[in-house]
Amino acid sequence: NAGVTQTPKFQVLKTGQSMTLQCAQDMNHNSMYWYRQDPGMGLRLIYYSASEGTTDKGEVPNGYNVSRLNKREFSLRLESAAPSQTSVYFCASNRGVITYNEQFFGPGTRLTVL
Amino acid sequence: AQSVTQLGSHVSVSEGALVLLRCNYSSSVPPYLFWYVQYPNQGLQLLLKYTTGATLVKGINGFEAEFKKSETSFHLTKPSAHMSDAAEYFCAVSLRGSTLGRLYFGRGTQLTVWP
Repeated sequence: NAGVTQTPKFQVLKTGQSMTLQCAQDMNHNSMYWYRQDPGMGLRLIYYSASEGTTDKGEVPNGYNVSRLNKREFSLRLESAAPSQTSVYFCASNRGVITYNEQFFGPGTRLTVL
Repeated sequence: AQSVTQLGSHVSVSEGALVLLRCNYSSSVPPYLFWYVQYPNQGLQLLLKYTTGATLVKGINGFEAEFKKSETSFHLTKPSAHMSDAAEYFCAVSLRGSTLGRLYFGRGTQLTVWP
């Protein structure tokens, strides 16, 4: 049981390049999330997917797109990377049921945009 | 939108001293409350959570937190700090009854433990 996995762990891009961050979970969770973490800002929600087939914008969606490929996988795409997108990106998942909403986090992707 | 305030972006304590990390939330209905810890270059791990019932919640590594509805607070404490507690700590809330499971995070508190 690997939990939440993310690839790649590190990435350096040039301004204008594109890339996709991959996330997968093996806990049969319904909901998945993408956050970015910047110093002094905590974690800010980029996009989330409450269930397979649905996606919604979070607090900071500009410059990003997502795909909920199936129940396991939720990818984040940067179409034209900008230096302001230099950050650490975390994927998370939870069961999504109306009890408690504990999220499980992946190890993160450290992205630098030059 | 939910608001989570962590007082003090940096807290320093000596090994063996009391650790107190503060968290306040803004919500008319008490939310679910969480504390997560992040060690350097790692993802977030759940320390403890409050959902219902007893307001004093015990978590891993000797940490505990108390939910105080009247103060809209959920402060994290540990009686005696250890060097291995040095990390960043995040308070988070989610809305009761939500099927979306969104978490709202505070900005984090970096804990330094001096020998």
